[in-house]
Amino acid sequence: QVHLQQWGAGLLKPSETLSLRCAVYGGSFSGHYWTWIRQPPGKGLEWIGEINHIENHSGSTTYNPSLKSRVTISVDTSKNEFSLTLSSVTAADTAVYYCARGLLSSVVLPSIKYLDSWGQGTLVTVSS
Amino acid sequence: DIQMTQSPSSLSASVGDSVTITCRASQTINNYLNWYQQKPGKAPKFLIYATSNVQSGVPSRFSGSGSGRDFTLTINSLQPEDSATYYCQQSYGSPLTFGGGTKVEIK
Repeated sequence: QVHLQQWGAGLLKPSETLSLRCAVYGGSFSGHYWTWIRQPPGKGLEWIGEINHIENHSGSTTYNPSLKSRVTISVDTSKNEFSLTLSSVTAADTAVYYCARGLLSSVVLPSIKYLDSWGQGTLVTVSS
Repeated sequence: DIQMTQSPSSLSASVGDSVTITCRASQTINNYLNWYQQKPGKAPKFLIYATSNVQSGVPSRFSGSGSGRDFTLTINSLQPEDSATYYCQQSYGSPLTFGGGTKVEIK
């Protein structure tokens, strides 16, 4: 049973860089899509991006075009952790940020991706 | 981006009722549709993948159907613990996108 535990700074000033980490306990770290999602207060969910870690290969990343210029997702395989950085934050980046595991199922072809395990969430507030 | 529209945005029903939530995609997404449940202050919980496949451990009163652009989540015999917001999510195109959510309240 996989468990995701996330942490990071919760209060930032405009123009600063958001930095969050997510540790993965249990299950395999390789072969999955390690994902970040955010949710502004009282609003819906927005997919930020993912990194697909394959054993002995550098991870390939995919980002939401709306955030691509400011986002970096990376993995630290020695610690079974992955991270999110978001540069030049503004008040519009205030949200609860979640890490999640993306899995593929071949019940439909080609495979469908879904987010089966989530971290507990971190509220990040951007305010001067 | 593929836009996902849910209706209604909220509903109120009694214990034992059957409720249906609708999700419409802005283009055909075949069966690349997942559902999540979120309770206040908690992370979303994964319920259903590929339109109709219920995740292990999810009560059998939850079911999904649909194809193309139109999908539904049905909760049969609504229970007090089903009070939550439900989100659909498409995995057909990138970026992954979610519906705006449907808040289910128990009368």
